[in-house]
Amino acid sequence: DTAVSQTPKYLVTQMGNDKSIKCEQNLGHDTMYWYKQDSKKFLKIMFSYNNKELIINETVPNRFSPKSPDKAHLNLHINSLELGDSAVYFCASSPSERAAPMYFGPGTRLTVT
Amino acid sequence: GDSVTQMEGPVTLSEEAFLTINCTYTATGYPSLFWYVQYPGEGLQLLLKATKADDKGSNKGFEATYRKETTSFHLEKGSVQVSDSAVYFCAPRGAGGTSYGKLTFGQGTILTVHP
Repeated sequence: DTAVSQTPKYLVTQMGNDKSIKCEQNLGHDTMYWYKQDSKKFLKIMFSYNNKELIINETVPNRFSPKSPDKAHLNLHINSLELGDSAVYFCASSPSERAAPMYFGPGTRLTVT
Repeated sequence: GDSVTQMEGPVTLSEEAFLTINCTYTATGYPSLFWYVQYPGEGLQLLLKATKADDKGSNKGFEATYRKETTSFHLEKGSVQVSDSAVYFCAPRGAGGTSYGKLTFGQGTILTVHP
């Protein structure tokens, strides 16, 4: 039933490690996104994929690499984690039309120690 | 790029009070406008939307009207409940240029409703 799912929900790791977050949507949408929410609740887009093609890549460090094996999945891999990467990461999906809403996953809370 | 300015929070109200959360935006082209709500520990849920000028979006007693001339999309509710306590986000969905297709969020407004 879950429309947009993410795993894991919580991720605690040490500086310098590499980690991945997975996202899947069963809504049949063409476009998927990663957003980062900081401790002040500010949400900023990181990446967007449309039919497995990268279409938005905001000013995100190269340590962050998205991968879309098919249009239902968008994973986020982070190398050499830093303290400042601690945040909640949300995956979202939507149809391409501007009038369509985005549907968000439950979020992954990443804590880097 | 697109940007959003939301009313500074936190906002604290008593149950049954009237709520207004102001939102103004700048956007390329003709965006659609959305309000999302985030309950504690959860993801974002769509609250309401409007896709063209003078449209009114409504849901769960909340309303917002697309005002193109003032580039505003203020959220209102006539009588808030304790269960409305959450963070509210205004977001245009970009219609042109580098903003195309993405939601740009305001800083969010924290609402706390007391019994």
